[in-house]
Amino acid sequence: EVQLVESGGGLVQPGGSLRLSCEASGFTVSNNYMSWVRQAPGKGLEWVSVIYSGGSTYNADSVRGRFTLSRDNSKNTLYLQMNSLRAEDTAVYYCARDDLDYWGQGTLVTVSS
Amino acid sequence: AIQMTQSPSSLSASVGDRVTITCRASQGISNDLGWYQQTPGKAPKLLIYGASSLQSGVPSRFSGSGSGTDFTLTVSSLHPEDFATYYCLQSYNFPWTFGQGTKVEIK
Repeated sequence: EVQLVESGGGLVQPGGSLRLSCEASGFTVSNNYMSWVRQAPGKGLEWVSVIYSGGSTYNADSVRGRFTLSRDNSKNTLYLQMNSLRAEDTAVYYCARDDLDYWGQGTLVTVSS
Repeated sequence: AIQMTQSPSSLSASVGDRVTITCRASQGISNDLGWYQQTPGKAPKLLIYGASSLQSGVPSRFSGSGSGTDFTLTVSSLHPEDFATYYCLQSYNFPWTFGQGTKVEIK
């Protein structure tokens, strides 16, 4: 059974950093492309970043230069390193596979002083 | 970035109604379009991929059509569990972009 479990969210001050994790089971992360999607409170969905099986990554303009996507194949886990966080980054962050056919439950990131 | 415009932004309907949601891309995206359903507090769920292919396990009352710039999601007969927010997503080029969502409410 395919499962994605995010962790690492929490409260962080503006300008701070946080690393989100997405542990996968039931499939191999390195054989698929994996994305992060976020949803600010009461708002719609925003695609954030993707990593392809070959390792290429692409980011939304809103996070380029601040967020970095990576994976640990030995742990079958995807990571999102978020630096220089801003209030507008406050959202539930979801990881998802391929055409976003499977999603995790999400992890809440709150950026506030 | 490609803009995805959904309409309507919300609608009221009754159980058994036929509902159609449209999504228009600001430029051609071939058939690189998916439809997602989200209920409050839950992660989105893929309904349709490739504009018209039904995701495994999704009821056949859901269907998608379109290509290029204009797309539709149709629910042939609303069930109580279909009251939710629906989003389209283009994956034709980066950045991938979602429509703003359509909230389907009970009349």
